This record gives sequence, C-alpha cells and structure tokens, in this order.
Amino acid sequence: DAGVIQSPRHEVTEMGQEVTLRCKPISGHDYLFWYRQTMMRGLELLIYFNNNVPIDDSGMPEDRFSAKMPNASFSTLKIQPSEPRDSAVYFCASILTGPQETQYFGPGTRLLVL
Amino acid sequence: AQSVSQHNHHVILSEAASLELGCNYSYGGTVNLFWYVQYPGQHLQLLLKYFSGDPLVKGIKGFEAEFIKSKFSFNLRKPSVQWSDTAEYFCAVRGAILTGGGNKLTFGTGTQLKVEL
Repeated sequence: DAGVIQSPRHEVTEMGQEVTLRCKPISGHDYLFWYRQTMMRGLELLIYFNNNVPIDDSGMPEDRFSAKMPNASFSTLKIQPSEPRDSAVYFCASILTGPQETQYFGPGTRLLVL
Repeated sequence: AQSVSQHNHHVILSEAASLELGCNYSYGGTVNLFWYVQYPGQHLQLLLKYFSGDPLVKGIKGFEAEFIKSKFSFNLRKPSVQWSDTAEYFCAVRGAILTGGGNKLTFGTGTQLKVEL
C-alpha cells in the first residue's frame, strides 16, 4: 500500500484563486480527517468523515472552505476564493478504527497564497 | 469540549539524557490518548496510543507513556534520547467511541525537542 496520497504536494497561488487539495486514503479505512498546520495556530482539525459521511465540520474556518468525499477512495478540500491567511500545510489522515487501530497521515500539501 | 495542554514548548537535551514531555487533557468521559512525532519537513507519525488496560504504554523507537487518570495526564518518556529524536512531539486526545465521543482528535500545541550531540 502506498499510504495516504495527497496532491499536489506544493501549491502556490494568488489571492482570489480557487484551490483544490486532494486526498486518497488507505483502502478499507473508515475515517478520513483534514487538518491544517501553521506555526501560529498549530494543528487544527478542519473536518472529518466516517464512511464517506461528513461528521463534524465545525473546524472549517469559513464558508470559503468546503470538503467532499464522494467515495471511499477520494476526498477533496476546496478553498474558494483563497486568501493569504490560508497559507499552511494541509494534512489528510486515514484511520481504521478497532482494537488494533491504525492511523496514517499523508505527506501534506504545502499551500502558499500570495 | 476536550482540550490538550503540553507545557513544554521547547526542550533541549544532550544525547543519552532522559526525556519526559508533559501532556494534560480535559475531557469528561473515557478517553483514547495518543502521542505523535513529526520529524522536520515530514508528516505526523503515530508513536503510541492508549485505549484501555495497562496504563504504561510502550511505543515505537523506545518511547513509552503513562496514563494517570487521577491527574488527567499522559506523559511521554524515553530513558535515553538520540540525536535522531530531534522532532516535534504532539499529544492528542479523543473521546472513546463507545461513550459517544465520536472520533474527533484534539491535538496539543506540540513540543519541539532538540537533541544535541
């Protein structure tokens, strides 16, 4: 298994542009999380899904942010329009719950909004 | 609401020194507890986790953590650190699923560990 795959790994865009981040979780895992990491705010949970269903999106900072998980193997996080304060590393995490729970974080997408 | 507090933001140790990183949490029910490590420029990796049973949990790379329920603490320890342990360490908590805590992981602010040769 290649682990959690995120794309792109780096994104530089201009303020006002739409940004779409992608995540492919590990097959068979039942939870998917989107986190954002910055020096100022640390790790913030944005939204998470259980079996493709959004459970808690209270961490999504504004209506400019939206996330979808159309199927078990793919999720997107979209920012429209993007702003400089959205610059961060966005991580996707895939979890298989149970007594032998396994968790894997993706390599992250480093986003810079100019 | 659940929260996690990591008291030490920066720790500097010499190789072979012992390590203890503090973590306290706030949650009204049964919890699952985690420690993660993030090496420079890399993603988070799970070091160890506590769900139930023996409160002393052993993880990868020689790390261990002790859950002390009365103190709401889950401190990370390693008897002898190496230069390669230089990284940022995050404690996290979530309500145990069976008690309705969902699966929301809440992270602490992290502790930056630097190990000097």
